[in-house]
Amino acid sequence: EIVMTQSPATLSVSPGERATLSCRASQSVSSNLAWYQQKPGQAPRLLIYGASTRATGIPARFSGSGSGTEFTLTISSLQSEDFAVYYCQLGPYTFGQGTKLEIK
Amino acid sequence: EVQLVESGGGLVQPGGSLRLSCAASGFTFSSYEMNWVRQAPGKGLEWVSYISSSGSTIYYADSVKGRFTISRDNAKNSLYLQMNSLRAEDTAVYYCARVDVDSSGHHCIDYWGQGTLVTVSS
Repeated sequence: EIVMTQSPATLSVSPGERATLSCRASQSVSSNLAWYQQKPGQAPRLLIYGASTRATGIPARFSGSGSGTEFTLTISSLQSEDFAVYYCQLGPYTFGQGTKLEIK
Repeated sequence: EVQLVESGGGLVQPGGSLRLSCAASGFTFSSYEMNWVRQAPGKGLEWVSYISSSGSTIYYADSVKGRFTISRDNAKNSLYLQMNSLRAEDTAVYYCARVDVDSSGHHCIDYWGQGTLVTVSS
């Protein structure tokens, strides 16, 4: 079973700054990695699939990179609406435990 | 417009059973793989089960294997999750989710339902 590990658990960043979130797989998953954003009381929203392709309607400030076992989600200039919990997912299966992005 | 509407959640005693349903509309249901994903109160997302478009391929998380059964009825545009031998740790919001696969074989969940709450408690 492949385990997905996200770090850090909580990230405190000021609006306008860059945020970098990490996701590590216990074995290679090629580029079959997706990122989601979830706000309280809402279903998750797809941000990135194939490790680096933005989903429809996702702003360009969101970018994904990596392959194999190491992946990164970068938000280039944080907006107020970006403060949420972010999850990575292997294919359609295992999720990471999430990173809470909070306002510094 | 793609819509996924879950139903069937509620309060059930430990050891009991519940059947969740998901009504899909706005897309060709029979062409898509589907998932159930759950989220315990205040916790992260947990993948529960996957079913291929035809229903011929099914996978389960270890935490529910042998107790939960996923199925679909493509004629009725519906996805199901039969949950038996329920435990307190199965308490969660259960989401029905559509799986998309791009031309490179990359999978993701592109649409989610609003979720249905299952509470296992005596």
